[in-house]
Amino acid sequence: GDSVTQMEGPVTLSEEAFLTINCTYTATGYPSLFWYVQYPGEGLQLLLKATKADDKGSNKGFEATYRKETTSFHLEKGSVQVSDSAVYFCALNTALIQGAQKLVFGQGTRLTINP
Amino acid sequence: DGGITQSPKYLFRKEGQNVTLSCEQNLNHDAMYWYRQDPGQGLRLIYYSQIVNDFQKGDIAEGYSVSREKKESFPLTVTSAQKNPTAFYLCASSPGLAMNEQYFGPGTRLTVT
Repeated sequence: GDSVTQMEGPVTLSEEAFLTINCTYTATGYPSLFWYVQYPGEGLQLLLKATKADDKGSNKGFEATYRKETTSFHLEKGSVQVSDSAVYFCALNTALIQGAQKLVFGQGTRLTINP
Repeated sequence: DGGITQSPKYLFRKEGQNVTLSCEQNLNHDAMYWYRQDPGQGLRLIYYSQIVNDFQKGDIAEGYSVSREKKESFPLTVTSAQKNPTAFYLCASSPGLAMNEQYFGPGTRLTVT
């Protein structure tokens, strides 16, 4: 079945460092791809998404490009802040019965930014 | 403000008891979902519902039950048949199942001892 594999964490960086969190996927068809962020003790928030190959999603300084040839959707940010400390999930949507779709998540990558 | 509310935030139960987790949304979304999150793992789908009075099993439905009597509400019951009920439970909704963006509630952390 469809699956998502993320870079293992935890990842610890200093403030203003460059961030990359790798995400690769396996899917039949052409899924949409997502990055969600989870702050401590909270639910998930959509960070960005891309719906087709070569699309770039961006939000709050984060970017990710849908690369069909490498089946990847790596998350990047040029200069991280302490407030970016959270768990980041890569996800794709996949078909269920009767036209429904569900999200398939990677295992999450915990990011800690030190001042 | 529109959004999804889950209550309570923390819930404690003794083994062998059923417990019901609340999920309410005022986004006028048709589809609702329940996920389970365990430490160091992604989210796994328990149940989902496309419309009122209809719901389907997800990947890990055993030991859980749901109802969808109102569009706004999708409560989840964790039964005594669930072997490992301690987890963080997240409710989500989307405008329709074919719409791929989901909006999440703040979650309920259930501890069963």
